[in-house]
Amino acid sequence: AQSVSQHNHHVILSEAASLELGCNYSYGGTVNLFWYVQYPGQHLQLLLKYFSGDPLVKGIKGFEAEFIKSKFSFNLRKPSVQWSDTAEYFCAVNAPRNFGNEKLTFGTGTRLTIIP
Amino acid sequence: KAGVTQTPRYLIKTRGQQVTLSCSPISGHRSVSWYQQTPGQGLQFLFEYFSETQRNKGNFPGRFSGRQFSNSRSEMNVSTLELGDSALYLCASSSTGQLAKNIQYFGAGTRLSVL
Repeated sequence: AQSVSQHNHHVILSEAASLELGCNYSYGGTVNLFWYVQYPGQHLQLLLKYFSGDPLVKGIKGFEAEFIKSKFSFNLRKPSVQWSDTAEYFCAVNAPRNFGNEKLTFGTGTRLTIIP
Repeated sequence: KAGVTQTPRYLIKTRGQQVTLSCSPISGHRSVSWYQQTPGQGLQFLFEYFSETQRNKGNFPGRFSGRQFSNSRSEMNVSTLELGDSALYLCASSSTGQLAKNIQYFGAGTRLSVL
């Protein structure tokens, strides 16, 4: 079965610290990868996505993620976090061939708390 | 441009009842997907509709059903409610539903509490 693992359930950092949130998926076929963010009281919104090409993708608000196919990973990074990055972050995978073009499988999320 | 609108925002029901949730996608979007979000299971895919047809379905019992109207609005129905159905139900819309080509936009959700 398709699954997505986010190893860090809750991460606490000080402002200006660097961030890396892990995401691994357990599927060997072609995948499309996403990171979503949910700020307190707001909708889920897309941070960035990978479909093909350059494995290093840049998203909004200074976030980036690197797809490492051999490790089945798609880790999210940000060099210097801000208090406004406090949110919950979800990694998601779409595996079209086996689960259809329309289905997203989400990880359980990582709650990020930034201390001013 | 208005975003994805879900109504109602909150619902309280008792076990055994049924409930209908509504989702209006972004104008021009023809694909609507539904997800269930719970603290224990996270976000789980329920189903996706495109042009009034269900194209994809998650692993939920038959008590969970949905439909899409010709104007792309979608409804989700849960019959014979159980305590475990308490969750935030999210709707997402995109132009075609092809996740490799289109961004999916999420609504604020309907929080269902089953007592």
